[in-house]
Amino acid sequence: AQTVTQSQPEMSVQEAETVTLSCTYDTSESNYYLFWYKQPPSRQMILVIRQEAYKQQNATENRFSVNFQKAAKSFSLKISDSQLGDTAMYFCAFMFNNAGNMLTFGGGTRLMVKP
Amino acid sequence: NAGVTQTPKFRVLKTGQSMTLLCAQDMNHEYMYWYRQDPGMGLRLIHYSVGEGTTAKGEVPDGYNVSRLKKQNFLLGLESAAPSQTSVYFCASSRGVVDNRRYNEQFFGPGTRLTVL
Repeated sequence: AQTVTQSQPEMSVQEAETVTLSCTYDTSESNYYLFWYKQPPSRQMILVIRQEAYKQQNATENRFSVNFQKAAKSFSLKISDSQLGDTAMYFCAFMFNNAGNMLTFGGGTRLMVKP
Repeated sequence: NAGVTQTPKFRVLKTGQSMTLLCAQDMNHEYMYWYRQDPGMGLRLIHYSVGEGTTAKGEVPDGYNVSRLKKQNFLLGLESAAPSQTSVYFCASSRGVVDNRRYNEQFFGPGTRLTVL
């Protein structure tokens, strides 16, 4: 079974600065997807960014970008120009490319953006 | 377009009681999921469904049952609640495979906080 590890339980960053959240995973598969989800205090799960394993180019979505290192099984999230609204739990998640589209989540990183 | 809705939002049960959580989606999605989130942890998959009338076990299925009688609804049942089932429960849906293309983004409901005393 695959596992997803987020080694940073909590992080903080000053508003307008850049922060990187780490994620590693373990799988023997070669075809899969990786995701970052945001969970603000409202508890709603919000998709931040998605990466297909077969694509070498790192995904970007506005201020959010990833550093995908397939050989190292690493998938970090970089948040640029941090905003107060980025304060949330961030979860890294893994999905096999098979029937069911099931997600396996990491334990999460709590990010606090300070004014 | 309400997306994914969950009923109820909060519930308190006594040990041994039963209840059903309802998840509804209005996006015509094929796939639906039930997850639980315990304090300080990520979500774990309980059961899922890849279409009306089908269900399958996830990572932590014990103590739960599910049914998908209608495409838009996915029910999660607890037959005899235990304190270990105190958690926040999330439902999600995804479009699935359409015309041989996989749509894998999952859309989540707002969650149900369940406390078992």
